[in-house]
Formats: sequence, structure tokens, C-alpha cells
Amino acid sequence: GAVVSQHPSRVICKSGTSVKIECRSLDFQATTMFWYRQFPKQSLMLMATSNEGSKATYEQGVEKDKFLINHASLTLSTLTVTSAHPEDSSFYICSADARDRGQSEQFFGPGTRLTVL
Amino acid sequence: AQTVTQSQPEMSVQEAETVTLSCTYDTSESNYYLFWYKQPPSRQMILVIRQEAYKQQNATENRFSVNFQKAAKSFSLKISDSQLGDTAMYFCASSSGGGADGLTFGKGTHLIIQP
Repeated sequence: GAVVSQHPSRVICKSGTSVKIECRSLDFQATTMFWYRQFPKQSLMLMATSNEGSKATYEQGVEKDKFLINHASLTLSTLTVTSAHPEDSSFYICSADARDRGQSEQFFGPGTRLTVL
Repeated sequence: AQTVTQSQPEMSVQEAETVTLSCTYDTSESNYYLFWYKQPPSRQMILVIRQEAYKQQNATENRFSVNFQKAAKSFSLKISDSQLGDTAMYFCASSSGGGADGLTFGKGTHLIIQP
């Protein structure tokens, strides 16, 4: 099956610093990747759609200047949380669109737990 | 905009029993897809089953099947012969377009399978 990795799996940072999370499709190319956020005991909320070679599309209420997304290649998308604050602490999950391999579904990474002190 | 509603925060059944998880949705799209995802304690999202809205036949995957009622906008998941490994959060989700667009998730149902 299609495999998506995320790095790091867990990160702790100080308030005011920036954190970068990587999402990679390991055995397929993904023109489109997605970033979700999941608070404890809650559902996943779509933050943005990341398209290779173009600007990301952000969902309503998501600050694009705070959550910078770069999709520089067909296998890598990055999410940078800038000037992180404790309220940004959450579980961030990416997924990759497998249409390029003929499958109309997306495969999820294992997630990154961000804790901002 | 799409909305997905799961009205059962938690369910508990005995091993080997059959359980049905409920989901209703709302969408203005004519072409859309519906999904059930499983999230075990590892938090890795696992696709359980997928239904294309234009297909009338209910999707099945081994012990998992759906009851898709398009007019009622209902999409329930039935798990037969439940196993301890089925214990997890289950999320109902929808997407528009080709089925691999951004997903809208319900709040989830925590399913507990008792030995």
C-alpha cells in the first residue's frame, strides 16, 4: 500500500519559535497533500490543501501567515508553524492524494504531536 | 460546504456481536464520496470503507459494510463479528469532487469491544 511519513513524530518548542513538520509520500508521487489538525479527543479539521508547485489553499479561519505550507516536490510537503504559542499545541496530520497512482483516496501520515511551552 | 454528524460519542459491545455506527451528512455537491476511517490509539488513520455517491450498491469490505441511504443523507457502518482489535475511534467523512479532495470529518464514535 501507499506509505506516508511525517517527521518529527513529536516536538516540543518554546513559545515564539518556529517549527517545521515534513510530510513525505514514500512510494508514490502526490500532486496534492492535505494538512489536518486534531485537538485532544476531537475530530480532524482540514487546515489547508497543498499543491505541488503552487500556493496552498487554506480553509476559512486558518491563518496562512502563521501556518506556512510549501510543496516543493511531488513527494514532500512542509508545514511551518511560525511564532508558535501554547494554543498551537495539537496533533498535526498530513495526507497525500493517491490519484497519481490511480487511486481515488488519500493516505495519512502517522501524525506529529506539537507541544508549545 | 459539507457537514458530517455522528450522534454516538461512544458505543460498547461484546466481542463477536454486530454493531452499527450512525452517520448523517449534508452536501450541496452532486458528486461526492463518503468514508469511514478508523483511528486506533496509535492515532494512525486507517480507511475502513469508501462509498461513491453515484453508486447505489452498498460498499462492503469483509466484516464491514455500509447502509447508504442517499435520499436520507445517511451513511451507517455495520461491523459484523466484532473483534477486540476493532476497538478505536471511528470517523465518518465526506469529500467532493474526485473522492480525494479535502475531507470533512464527523466528531467520531469511540467503539469499545468488550471481551
